Amino acid sequence: DIQVTQSPSSLSASLGDRVTITCRASQDISNGLSWYQQKPGQAPTLLIYAASRLQSGVPSRFSGSESGTDFTLTISSLQPEDVATYYCLVNYILPFTFGPGTKVDIK
Amino acid sequence: QVHLVESGGGVVQPGRSLRLSCAASGFIFSNHAVHWVRQAPGKGLEWVAFISHDGSNKYYADSVKGRFTISRDNSKNTLFLQMNTLRAEDTAVYFCARGRRVVVVPDAFDSWGQGTLVTVSS
Repeated sequence: DIQVTQSPSSLSASLGDRVTITCRASQDISNGLSWYQQKPGQAPTLLIYAASRLQSGVPSRFSGSESGTDFTLTISSLQPEDVATYYCLVNYILPFTFGPGTKVDIK
Repeated sequence: QVHLVESGGGVVQPGRSLRLSCAASGFIFSNHAVHWVRQAPGKGLEWVAFISHDGSNKYYADSVKGRFTISRDNSKNTLFLQMNTLRAEDTAVYFCARGRRVVVVPDAFDSWGQGTLVTVSS
């Protein structure tokens, strides 16, 4: 099974800051990774699929990129509504694996 | 508009069974793979099970293999999760989630239900 690490586990940033979250897969997964946002008490929502494709309706300040087995979610300018926990999902092959999550809040 | 609604959660004793349902609407249910994902209280997301669009292929996480069974009724636009021999560590909110593209697996989850809470406790 493919393993995935995610860092950092939490971060605090100021409004307008650029925020980056990284997931690293244990083997080549091509672009088989997606990113999700989960706010407290809510279901997750899809932000990015195929490593870098923005899901319809998601603000353009969110972006994804890949370099080998490293994948990055970037929020270009942190907004109050971005306070949430972010998860990556390796969806390259079954069984799927979620990263442990990154909790983002405002400094 | 895509809509997924889970039901069937509750409090159950260890070793007992429970059956979850996920009612789908707003799209052609029989065209999409669907999954179950769970989240223990205060913890992260855990992928649980997958079923292909036509029910011919299924896959499970090791943590539930042999105890949980995923199934679907495309005539009723409903997904199921039969959970047997429940353990305390199965306590979680259970979400159903839709595969993004028609038929294609693997893929991201583009729609999620709001979840149903399962509590395994004596």
